[in-house]
Amino acid sequence: KAGVTQTPRYLIKTRGQQVTLSCSPISGHRSVSWYQQTPGQGLQFLFEYFSETQRNKGNFPGRFSGRQFSNSRSEMNVSTLELGDSALYLCASSEDRFFATQYFGPGTRLTVL
Amino acid sequence: GDSVTQMEGPVTLSEEAFLTINCTYTATGYPSLFWYVQYPGEGLQLLLKATKADDKGSNKGFEATYRKETTSFHLEKGSVQVSDSAVYFCALSGIGANNLFFGTGTRLTVIP
Repeated sequence: KAGVTQTPRYLIKTRGQQVTLSCSPISGHRSVSWYQQTPGQGLQFLFEYFSETQRNKGNFPGRFSGRQFSNSRSEMNVSTLELGDSALYLCASSEDRFFATQYFGPGTRLTVL
Repeated sequence: GDSVTQMEGPVTLSEEAFLTINCTYTATGYPSLFWYVQYPGEGLQLLLKATKADDKGSNKGFEATYRKETTSFHLEKGSVQVSDSAVYFCALSGIGANNLFFGTGTRLTVIP
């Protein structure tokens, strides 16, 4: 099976702009989670989507949003970018069952100037 | 709330040395525990996991045992290789939850 894919791999934006990142899960996986990785805060959970519904949410401002499509592909959007949003954004997919393992994509490196 | 405390790095070892990276957790109930590894420029790869007390996860010579009495999940390898150089993350998730809580990561460098 193909792994989790994320596009684009690299992005450069300026403050105030918005950005959309895309994630395609492993075939058959219906749960998609997003994480932010920064040197200062480490890996932090953003949100999880299942069956096109946000099922779980981390502690991030409303500028961070996401959605999931009927084919389980997911996008996350960050509006009004700030310098502190510069990070590696990781997507993970999993089956929907107890003790399911999350499989991560390579990430999208976002730089905000 | 749930959290993971991981040994601070960086850790530098010579090839064939013994590796231990400490990890302790705080959680309600009975979480699942994981070790993930991140190589430079890549995402996270699952290294091993354990889903209940006394379970031992193992993969590629790495091992970790779920110790409920000490709330620990220490990572060990008997003989490290240069190719093991990476950042290692300990993580937990609650039952039925798909959000992982990660430790801060430990950077391992193995020198020949």
